[in-house]
This record gives sequence, structure tokens and C-alpha cells, in this order.
Amino acid sequence: AQTVTQSQPEMSVQEAETVTLSCTYDTSESDYYLFWYKQPPSRQMILVIRQEAYKQQNATENRFSVNFQKAAKSFSLKISDSQLGDAAMYFCAYRNSGGSNYKLTFGKGTLLTVNP
Amino acid sequence: GAVVSQHPSRVICKSGTSVKIECRSLDFQATTMFWYRQFPKQSLMLMATSNEGSKATYEQGVEKDKFLINHASLTLSTLTVTSAHPEDSSFYICSARRRSNEQFFGPGTRLTVL
Repeated sequence: AQTVTQSQPEMSVQEAETVTLSCTYDTSESDYYLFWYKQPPSRQMILVIRQEAYKQQNATENRFSVNFQKAAKSFSLKISDSQLGDAAMYFCAYRNSGGSNYKLTFGKGTLLTVNP
Repeated sequence: GAVVSQHPSRVICKSGTSVKIECRSLDFQATTMFWYRQFPKQSLMLMATSNEGSKATYEQGVEKDKFLINHASLTLSTLTVTSAHPEDSSFYICSARRRSNEQFFGPGTRLTVL
């Protein structure tokens, strides 16, 4: 079974600075998807960024980028120019790409605090 | 992005009663819907996967007679917590999968059982 590990229960960053959230995963599959989701206090899950394992290029979405290291099974999220609205719980998630199993496996989450 | 709604957003019920939570995909047809449970300050735990017109597939440890799931149409899935007890109090979240395989989450339902 796949597992996702987020080793940082909490992180903090100063406004306008950069922070990196860590995620490692374990799988025997060669093709899969990785995601970062944000859950603000409203508890609505919001997709931040997605990475397809077969793509070597790291995904980027504006201030959000990932460092995907397939051999190391590592998938970290970098938030640049942090804003107060970035404060939230961040979950790393994994999904197989093939078959009929579209289940997401989530890490335990990292609570990000942004200090003004 | 696509919109998924949940109703109700909050519900308080007495122990022993049943509660139904609806999950709707408002602007797309969802071939699969997922139900999660989230305890405070914890991650999402998948409870079951439901496909339209077929029985739900429950994760290990989830009582299917306790948490009844019906996926009657491509836009609606319901979760019924039967004979609810205080330990069932939690935040329940659904997600819906579009044919493109993207998943979209509902806003969640907070259940409190007195």
C-alpha cells in the first residue's frame, strides 16, 4: 500500500519570505500523481499544485512550486513571497494513475503559520 | 473549477438518530464520489468510494451498516450515519471525480451527536 509522510507537523514563515514543506511517499508504482492541497480554517480543500510522475519538470503555479525527486520519492512544496492568506493546513497526497483506483492517500498534514 | 456542494454544512442530532448528508456535483457528472472523515487537527481518512449505480466500496474498519452510502445519480451521493453516537461526531467531507480524473471537494459537514 502507498504511504505519504509529512514530517513537519507545524511550520512558520515571515510574510514575504519563502518556506518549504516536506513530503515523502512510498510506492511500487512507476506512474502516479502527487498533489498538494491547502485546507484553510474554512476547511474547504483547495488543490494547490499537481505533479505527474512521468514528467521530469517540476510543476509551478505562480508562487507555488514543487521539488519532485522521483528516485528519492520526495515531493516538497515551496511557497515564495508568503502571504497571510497562505496560512492553512497543507496536505500532500498520492494517487495511482492507472486502473480503476482513483483513491487519494493523504499525509498527516503540516500546519503553516504566516507571521506579519 | 468545478463545484461540489454538501448539505447540511452543520448538523446536531441526538444519540440514536440517523443523519443523512448529501454531496452534489453541481456542474459536472461525477463517475465516482468519495467520503472522508476528518477529526480535529488530523488528516482526511477515506471511508468509502461510491460509483453511480453500484454498491460502495468501504475501507477496512469502516462499518458499512453504520455508514450507508447511496450513489443514486451521477450528481448525487448520500451518506447516512445510522444510530449515531457521540463518537461519530466528526467532520465529513465528500469529493467527486470528473471523467478527466480530477477530484473536487465539497465544503464538508460538521456532525455533532449529543
